[in-house]
Amino acid sequence: DGGITQSPKYLFRKEGQNVTLSCEQNLNHDAMYWYRQDPGQGLRLIYYSQIVNDFQKGDIAEGYSVSREKKESFPLTVTSAQKNPTAFYLCASSIVAGFKGYGYTFGSGTRLTVV
Amino acid sequence: SQQGEEDPQALSIQEGENATMNCSYKTSINNLQWYRQNSGRGLVHLILIRSNEREKHSGRLRVTLDTSKKSSSLLITASRAADTASYFCATAPVGGGGNKLTFGTGTQLKVEL
Repeated sequence: DGGITQSPKYLFRKEGQNVTLSCEQNLNHDAMYWYRQDPGQGLRLIYYSQIVNDFQKGDIAEGYSVSREKKESFPLTVTSAQKNPTAFYLCASSIVAGFKGYGYTFGSGTRLTVV
Repeated sequence: SQQGEEDPQALSIQEGENATMNCSYKTSINNLQWYRQNSGRGLVHLILIRSNEREKHSGRLRVTLDTSKKSSSLLITASRAADTASYFCATAPVGGGGNKLTFGTGTQLKVEL
């Protein structure tokens, strides 16, 4: 079955550590996205990529980094510069087709906690 | 930035009743989408309505879009306990860069037996 896999499901980070969240899709989608969700809040865009080897900052990119070396993979690194990283992180992918628009397929999320 | 605002923030109804939630947004859009999120899970795409459409149906879901008022509504008819979830609207702004979506703050729906 096609879909998006996020791992790990739960992640604990010590102060000052960098951690990397994995996101893999086998839907052959060109675009991939990372969102952050805080309790009781909506989703805020961190980074997105519409093609391999290219990505753009979203609304809250500070303290995060990404890479897009393969179409299937879009890992997110939460660096020590991110002051408040405890949150639920969601990865998504979609077809890119101009203004017509297509729905996103989401992964099941990674819950990151700073300890 | 949060483009969409859902109203109400929370809604509690009895099974079999209809549930209506609203979304308002600020800028011109190419399309508007609704998603469902069960607690602690990823979001699931429900329906997409384009800016030149006024109404769309999918099963028990009915979505309307009023671009002059910059608002949309999602109606779930004959609700079931399994519909209990958070519902988010998301907008694709004109000139926003491909299919980049901005999500609202969500409506928490509870359907009681």
